[in-house]
Amino acid sequence: GAGVSQTPSNKVTEKGKYVELRCDPISGHTALYWYRQSLGQGPEFLIYFQGTGAADDSGLPNDRFFAVRPEGSVSTLKIQRTERGDSAVYLCASSLLAGDIYNEQFFGPGTRLTVL
Amino acid sequence: DAKTTQPPSMDCAEGRAANLPCNHSTISGNEYVYWYRQIHSQGPQYIIHGLKNNETNEMASLIITEDRKSSTLILPHATLRDTAVYYCIVRGGGSNYKLTFGKGTLLTVNP
Repeated sequence: GAGVSQTPSNKVTEKGKYVELRCDPISGHTALYWYRQSLGQGPEFLIYFQGTGAADDSGLPNDRFFAVRPEGSVSTLKIQRTERGDSAVYLCASSLLAGDIYNEQFFGPGTRLTVL
Repeated sequence: DAKTTQPPSMDCAEGRAANLPCNHSTISGNEYVYWYRQIHSQGPQYIIHGLKNNETNEMASLIITEDRKSSTLILPHATLRDTAVYYCIVRGGGSNYKLTFGKGTLLTVNP
């Protein structure tokens, strides 16, 4: 079956611009996660959705970052006034359930964001 | 979640077993040990997890010491496609939905 997909695969933008990154989770997965991975580092947690609501957004670095999941499926990560430090690979993952450590997270290939 | 320590890199010959160590000396009784790997330019991929018993699946085996302070991921017959960064993650407690990645071990399988 189809895995987690993310679009675009690459995004180049200029400092100060607004960007949206999209994640299509595996069909039927209720939990969705966003992570950010800087060069040479492991992924860092940003936000977790259970259904339509953000159950934990403690990893979002500041108020320029915002994510939505209006219908409990597709999610969009939005970054306002981008800065060069936002350059990273943004990973999305989904799992069948949440709050259960038996549920593995399936990751998408990521969106590589470059802010010039 | 407990912190994990892994060597930054390891090499292995193709066809041989790859043994990747992980220290997690502060692990709590209800925390699990998870392993993920990340092949270049891909998202992380789940491999295996365990609590205290040794586990095996089609990808790997996980050996956890009796005191649970360390574990070893074993790839029995490494192939070139197993070249990746391997992450050992301790998971559990209140925020058990969250994966906390370290820098992992870059395993290079050589022909």
